[in-house]
Amino acid sequence: RKEVEQDPGPFNVPEGATVAFNCTYSNSASQSFFWYRQDCRKEPKLLMSVYSSGNEDGRFTAQLNRASQYISLLIRDSKLSDSATYLCAVNPNFGNEKLTFGTGTRLTIIP
Amino acid sequence: EAGVAQSPRYKIIEKRQSVAFWCNPISGHATLYWYQQILGQGPKLLIQFQNNGVVDDSQLPKDRFSAERLKGVDSTLKIQPAKLEDSAVYLCASSSRDTNFYGYTFGSGTRLTVV
Repeated sequence: RKEVEQDPGPFNVPEGATVAFNCTYSNSASQSFFWYRQDCRKEPKLLMSVYSSGNEDGRFTAQLNRASQYISLLIRDSKLSDSATYLCAVNPNFGNEKLTFGTGTRLTIIP
Repeated sequence: EAGVAQSPRYKIIEKRQSVAFWCNPISGHATLYWYQQILGQGPKLLIQFQNNGVVDDSQLPKDRFSAERLKGVDSTLKIQPAKLEDSAVYLCASSSRDTNFYGYTFGSGTRLTVV
């Protein structure tokens, strides 16, 4: 089983719709969780951290389910500019800030 | 603060040639990472430095890849000899253990094409 798994998509979603991605991780001791956004031919950029209590940033909501070992990202009222690849990242070791990334989920917002 | 700097942005080489990439982390960041991202995949960690010491190089193909961070600041990653499957984007990132960990920032990467 891979350390971090994501559905690669692609997800083709009409503008204004709500879309959600999940990401599962294998190491139950994992400490920190993140979502990154990567535009075509660009480096990944940190989108948001994921906390046990869930966190929201505008139209984006991230949640962590430790019992089932997955994190999720919800995008509401999707915009054309949300088209990108979304990578989840997991820090598997306490005291070591190394991140393990999923393969990414490609999202295309359709006008 | 200035971000992670990488050079060159692009490199095209023939197989069996050698190539080197350079990274300068965010000032004061003790930890530096090199990742390889093959098209359609997520970044894969090649090597992690803490100051000038190696923390994790378990996924570095040591028969052809080498990396160093001699003074605990900037770093170079070398491939010798290159293979076609080394075509990828090589990303550098850095982090500081002095602050809460909020993920890290990548440099713009070096896109390597091996022909």
